[in-house]
Amino acid sequence: DQQVKQNSPSLSVQEGRISILNCDYTNSMFDYFLWYKKYPAEGPTFLISISSIKDKNEDGRFTVFLNKSAKHLSLHIVPSQPGDSAVYFCAASPLFGNEKLTFGTGTRLTIIP
Amino acid sequence: DVKVTQSSRYLVKRTGEKVFLECVQDMDHENMFWYRQDPGLGLRLIYFSYDVKMKEKGDIPEGYSVSREKKERFSLILESASTNQTSMYLCASSLLLYSNQPQHFGDGTRLSIL
Repeated sequence: DQQVKQNSPSLSVQEGRISILNCDYTNSMFDYFLWYKKYPAEGPTFLISISSIKDKNEDGRFTVFLNKSAKHLSLHIVPSQPGDSAVYFCAASPLFGNEKLTFGTGTRLTIIP
Repeated sequence: DVKVTQSSRYLVKRTGEKVFLECVQDMDHENMFWYRQDPGLGLRLIYFSYDVKMKEKGDIPEGYSVSREKKERFSLILESASTNQTSMYLCASSLLLYSNQPQHFGDGTRLSIL
């Protein structure tokens, strides 16, 4: 029972264009969402987060959008750079409670120079 | 900067062996976590701990146990290793229960069970 789904295992984007990574969730108790980036042979690194009281959060080239009614979030990277090539995981947890995160299966993003 | 250190990057063990994976964090974080990452399955939580000597089961605790005797150290134990426990194991830590602080990860241990 996959409560957090990333339906695109891979995505290729031209350098300089926008990368859009999508994530859907089924558990209505999730109120806090995070994106992590993972390079091969390294642990995931935190990228950006959003709580359900917001529908958008920006940090430099990275913006996360949350559509709570659709149970959908997306990560936009503009402009995409070669160093953005990595696996991206979305994760979710209840806003209050323990910090148990539920992760998606990941999307491998490849930026084409 | 938060540093989460896993004792081994690569480990090869035999079926039936007892295996210890060690994780140390240097930021005085209360919460510590063990995940495994498998292709097509993402990261799945095995166990977590929010205080010394406290532990909670995650989504896939079967075949594993944990130990947290000191705040900075969280050990994952495979009681009797099996081939289906071949995986990448990731340790993470974070501040305070209920704070929604992001988890910080170590670089992982790639464990092969022969």
